Amino acid sequence: NAGVTQTPKFRILKIGQSMTLQCTQDMNHNYMYWYRQDPGMGLKLIYYSVGAGITDKGEVPNGYNVSRSTTEDFPLRLELAAPSQTSVYFCASNKPQDTEAFFGQGTRLTVV
Amino acid sequence: QKEVEQNSGPLSVPEGAIASLNCTYSDRVSQSFFWYRQYSGKSPELIMSIYSNGDKEDGRFTAQLNKASQYVSLLIRDSQPSDSATYLCAVNPNQAGTALIFGKGTTLSVSS
Repeated sequence: NAGVTQTPKFRILKIGQSMTLQCTQDMNHNYMYWYRQDPGMGLKLIYYSVGAGITDKGEVPNGYNVSRSTTEDFPLRLELAAPSQTSVYFCASNKPQDTEAFFGQGTRLTVV
Repeated sequence: QKEVEQNSGPLSVPEGAIASLNCTYSDRVSQSFFWYRQYSGKSPELIMSIYSNGDKEDGRFTAQLNKASQYVSLLIRDSQPSDSATYLCAVNPNQAGTALIFGKGTTLSVSS
């Protein structure tokens, strides 16, 4: 059972480039989340989804977009990367809402 | 804005001592509470969940919940150097279509 899988694990982007962070889960979870974690800080919610076709903004959505076309996948799109988006990105999922959230291994992104 | 507050620390305790980690939350209707442990460079992992007022024990860990005071805590007995990590408190606002909210985390250092 793979759980929550994120790709890539590491990425360096140049300012202005775009990329998609992939997240997939094989646990048939309804809820999926994207968080970012800056050095020495907690988790900040970027976007979340309560099911296929439904997404909502979190605390820090600016500069990001998401889609949820299937239960399994929840990609995060960065358009026009900026140095402020240098962070570690975590994808997580749970089902139902009040149960344990499982995290992916994280994607360490550096924008230069 | 729903908030989860934690003392960022660092909290330093000697090996064998009791470590006490605290968390307060702003949303009175919250029903589900979680403690995650995060080692440096790793993703968060669940160590305790608690849903009812009172104490819940699991090995060396005890979670305590007081909904009237909007307070949840984690006690770690017989602290070990391997317990050195950042501990994240997470709250489920218990409203349909909402996401888990995380505190900034408390860094615990256990010295041998």
